[in-house]
Amino acid sequence: EVQLVESGGGLVQPGRSLKLSCLASGFTFSNYGMNWIRQAPGKGLEWIASISSSSNYIYYADTVKGRFTISRDNGKNTLYLQMTSLRSEDTALYYCTKLKSYYFDYWGQGVMVTVSS
Amino acid sequence: DIQMTQSPASLSASLGETVSIECLASEDIYSYLAWYQQKPGKSPQLLIYAANRLQDGVPSRFSGSGSGTQYSLKISGMQPEDEGDYFCLQGSKFPPALGSGTKLEIK
Repeated sequence: EVQLVESGGGLVQPGRSLKLSCLASGFTFSNYGMNWIRQAPGKGLEWIASISSSSNYIYYADTVKGRFTISRDNGKNTLYLQMTSLRSEDTALYYCTKLKSYYFDYWGQGVMVTVSS
Repeated sequence: DIQMTQSPASLSASLGETVSIECLASEDIYSYLAWYQQKPGKSPQLLIYAANRLQDGVPSRFSGSGSGTQYSLKISGMQPEDEGDYFCLQGSKFPPALGSGTKLEIK
């Protein structure tokens, strides 16, 4: 059974940093691209970052480019999202997703990040 | 970037009713489209991929259709467990674009 378990969220002040993790199981993690998607309270879903299976290709949404860094450790079956210079508009539920071809076939349960003073 | 316009924003249906949700892409996405269902407090679940391919385990009352820029999700015979939010995803070109979502409720 595929499982994606996010962790590392919480309340953080504007301008500070936070690192999210996503522990994957139930599939060969090193064979698949992974993504982070977020959903602000009461809003729609927003794709924010993608990383290929071997980290050769990395992409970011303009809203987080230069502030967020996606990475992975295939030996630990873990995906990361390092978030810096956080803003109130980064407050959202962050999902880790597995990429199959061009779509996301599995999503984690999400981890909440609240940016507030 | 490709934009996805989803309609309606909300929908109320009676049990057994057939409902449709639409997604319009800003350019041809060559059927690189997926549909998801999200129930309150839960993570999204894949329903349909490649515009009309049913994901394993998804009830056959769900179907997808469309081509070019216009796509739709149909639920043939609304069931209580179908209440939730539905959204589309295009994967034809980077970056991936998600529809704004449709909230489906039982009338």
